[in-house]
Amino acid sequence: EVQLVESGGGLVQPGGSLRLSCAASGFTYSRYWMTWVRQAPGKRPEWVANIKQDGSEKYYVDSVKGRFTISRDNAKNSLYLEMNSLRVEDTAIYYCVRPLDNSGRDDWGQGTLVTVTS
Amino acid sequence: DIVMTQSPDSLAVSLGERATINCKSSQSVLYSPLNKDYVAWYQQKPGQPPKLLISWASTRGSGVPDRFSGSGSGTDFTLTISSLQAEDVAVYYCLQYHSTPPWTFGQGTKVEIK
Repeated sequence: EVQLVESGGGLVQPGGSLRLSCAASGFTYSRYWMTWVRQAPGKRPEWVANIKQDGSEKYYVDSVKGRFTISRDNAKNSLYLEMNSLRVEDTAIYYCVRPLDNSGRDDWGQGTLVTVTS
Repeated sequence: DIVMTQSPDSLAVSLGERATINCKSSQSVLYSPLNKDYVAWYQQKPGQPPKLLISWASTRGSGVPDRFSGSGSGTDFTLTISSLQAEDVAVYYCLQYHSTPPWTFGQGTKVEIK
């Protein structure tokens, strides 16, 4: 059974930093692209970042470019999101996702809440 | 970036009746080499992550009841619930995942019981 377990969320002031982690199990982690998706309260989900299997390609939504960094450790079956210069509008539940691929399936974690407030 | 626009924003349907949700993309999401449309549909209930219902515009996900179906191609897509059940009350989102990111979701359609 695929499991994705996020951690690292919390309360932070504007301008602060957080590092989110995602522990993956139940599949061969190193074979898959991985994704972070966030969802602000009452809003649609928003794709945040993707990372290729070996970390050689990364993509970000414009609103986080230069502030967020996605990374992975295939030896630890882990995905990370380093978030700097946080803004109030970054407040959201952050989901770790094994994204849709040619198999026609995806998997989501339960999410971790990030709240940016003064 | 590709913009996904859903309609309606909400709808109320009687139990056992049909529910239809539309999604229009600002440009084609057809990947010609595979002749597949890179559109998915998700269901989200309160306190839960989105759940995949449909991929490739019309391929039902594993374990998804056959009352859910997807159709369309190019820029216009539809999710149909053929006979609404009480457990189908949720918010539904379309997603385009065409080639290079950013991938984008529609604004959502809230489905309720009339």
